[in-house]
Amino acid sequence: DTAVSQTPKYLVTQMGNDKSIKCEQNLGHDTMYWYKQDSKKFLKIMFSYNNKELIINETVPNRFSPKSPDKAHLNLHINSLELGDSAVYFCASSQFSGSTEAFFGQGTRLTVV
Amino acid sequence: KQEVTQIPAALSVPEGENLVLNCSFTDSAIYNLQWFRQDPGKGLTSLLLIQSSQREQTSGRLNASLDKSSGRSTLYIAASQPGDSATYLCAVRQEGGKLIFGQGTELSVKP
Repeated sequence: DTAVSQTPKYLVTQMGNDKSIKCEQNLGHDTMYWYKQDSKKFLKIMFSYNNKELIINETVPNRFSPKSPDKAHLNLHINSLELGDSAVYFCASSQFSGSTEAFFGQGTRLTVV
Repeated sequence: KQEVTQIPAALSVPEGENLVLNCSFTDSAIYNLQWFRQDPGKGLTSLLLIQSSQREQTSGRLNASLDKSSGRSTLYIAASQPGDSATYLCAVRQEGGKLIFGQGTELSVKP
């Protein structure tokens, strides 16, 4: 059983398109995250949702809009894709309080052409 | 602002060697520190989690230590194997569950 799963694994699209990435976790965690890994492999947080409420927004362009229909799902919608959006996007989950372990999905490699 | 640094950026060793990967952080106000492994084109696999009150954690051939006051952690890998080749990432957890990552150490173990 996959703990944190993302779809799709690969996404190739043209500039200007709108695309979505989906994420689901079956760990019963109350907090989910989106991280971006750039071409230099550096991972940085983008968003965090706790029980469907946005709690972290790291000055990401408003073309990126996360949506959490319930605490087990966190989707990422990207409007008007740009070349610079090409990266690997990782979903993760953990418990908000306490000091619990974070689990990551396998990543979505987005390529904008 | 928390900054996490990993040294070295890359490391190549012959099979069987013991090795140490280093991670340092600038703000000691952390909840925990987590070591991950990332294989090329793959996701992150959690290796070890050390709580801020702990000094070390062990799992098989891996041992991670934490000195919160000095802002340092090490990952010790005993008797390295070619299958250990991967990028190793450390991350510190801050309030709200946010993880701040280092840039990683790319490890290559030669047969």
